Amino acid sequence: GAGVSQSPSNKVTEKGKDVELRCDPISGHTALYWYRQSLGQGLEFLIYFQGNSAPDKSGLPSDRFSAERTGGSVSTLTIQRTQQEDSAVYLCASSPGTGGGYTFGSGTRLTVV
Amino acid sequence: QKEVEQDPGPLSVPEGAIVSLNCTYSNSAFQYFMWYRQYSRKGPELLMYTYSSGNKEDGRFTAQVDKSSKYISLFIRDSQPSDSATYLCAMSLNSNSGYALNFGKGTSLLVTP
Repeated sequence: GAGVSQSPSNKVTEKGKDVELRCDPISGHTALYWYRQSLGQGLEFLIYFQGNSAPDKSGLPSDRFSAERTGGSVSTLTIQRTQQEDSAVYLCASSPGTGGGYTFGSGTRLTVV
Repeated sequence: QKEVEQDPGPLSVPEGAIVSLNCTYSNSAFQYFMWYRQYSRKGPELLMYTYSSGNKEDGRFTAQVDKSSKYISLFIRDSQPSDSATYLCAMSLNSNSGYALNFGKGTSLLVTP
């Protein structure tokens, strides 16, 4: 597609439920990143995928968070047993794999009630 | 100390003014320096990126990097109300996390007609 597509755009869930957030990167982009943006914290790196290689998970805040990328394309971020502090905007970005900046999606706004 | 520091503002200027936005950083290993613009409820949009010290100009926007002082700037000439947004500086280096970005917290800019 023309840009990075994320779904859903908004998600309200009850505390303790699991959620799945989807990212469809720009076609041909080998690198994919997930970030979290919350009030007062700014944008925080979560996880990095390069092609079909094992991801770098060093930014994931707890073992309740996991992500996968199928076929080197679409990625899913899963949060298990959601907590109120997980409320944030989750942003996905993709790039050709070089250092010149990358393209973000519009994000999924997650609210845990 | 956070690796990237940015004054959150808000910054309010009249239409037509020159805007100066700045960030400082502590990690001398950063290689790429970027400015993103973010409108409310949208993902960050890449405005400028530079590699190494110096100036880069694109239309009304000029990015400056001073690696010796660990200081980057974005100048906006002839500012317009449509420039009202949050401006995020970001920087990266090649690591196990690819080119994961370290963001400032963003400066909120309001350009008044």
